[in-house]
Amino acid sequence: DTEVTQTPKHLVMGMTNKKSLKCEQHMGHRAMYWYKQKAKKPPELMFVYSYEKLSINESVPSRFSPECPNSSLLNLHLHALQPEDSALYLCASSQDRKQSNSPLHFGNGTRLTVT
Amino acid sequence: GQQLNQSPQSMFIQEGEDVSMNCTSSSIFNTWLWYKQDPGEGPVLLIALYKAGELTSNGRLTAQFGITRKDSFLNISASIPSDVGIYFCAGSNYGGSQGNLIFGKGTKLSVKP
Repeated sequence: DTEVTQTPKHLVMGMTNKKSLKCEQHMGHRAMYWYKQKAKKPPELMFVYSYEKLSINESVPSRFSPECPNSSLLNLHLHALQPEDSALYLCASSQDRKQSNSPLHFGNGTRLTVT
Repeated sequence: GQQLNQSPQSMFIQEGEDVSMNCTSSSIFNTWLWYKQDPGEGPVLLIALYKAGELTSNGRLTAQFGITRKDSFLNISASIPSDVGIYFCAGSNYGGSQGNLIFGKGTKLSVKP
């Protein structure tokens, strides 16, 4: 079982809906990440939070809005998505973004379908 | 930008056979990671490598960090059906941080019982 928990496991939403993806870890990690993965492709980095502050935004459209309420939680707010945004959204965490021996641990993802 | 070349793209092997896959890069990395992803799940870390020349084992899995820091390989010995999945290599060289992992395109492994 993964130590990074993501909810929901599946989500179907219309293009006018507002929804949120949630991620939680209790390993004491101080860096948390959102990745997007399309079928048969590797994960693509979206956002990185380090010590609850946004460190990296990989030019992600504003219809994706991340939030880090505390060191254990990471949310991704979704609004006005497009069908091409359908993908597996993966959350990951690591001990510290600046430590080289701090590998990423992934959750099992949220399978998002935009209709 | 940096890219990783992972090969082979897919493999079809018989149970019990050994497997080898590798990743190469045109630029240097200071961290190499190997992940396995099963359908409907997230990538699971198999082996992490932090030093050039490092050879690390995890059960039937062995991975090495190339001495030039531009490549890494993963070997699986005596494959079993549960080895089926997609294997990703990932490299990082952003100040030691792994927030900028570069992933290979994956190797899809199929094992015939």
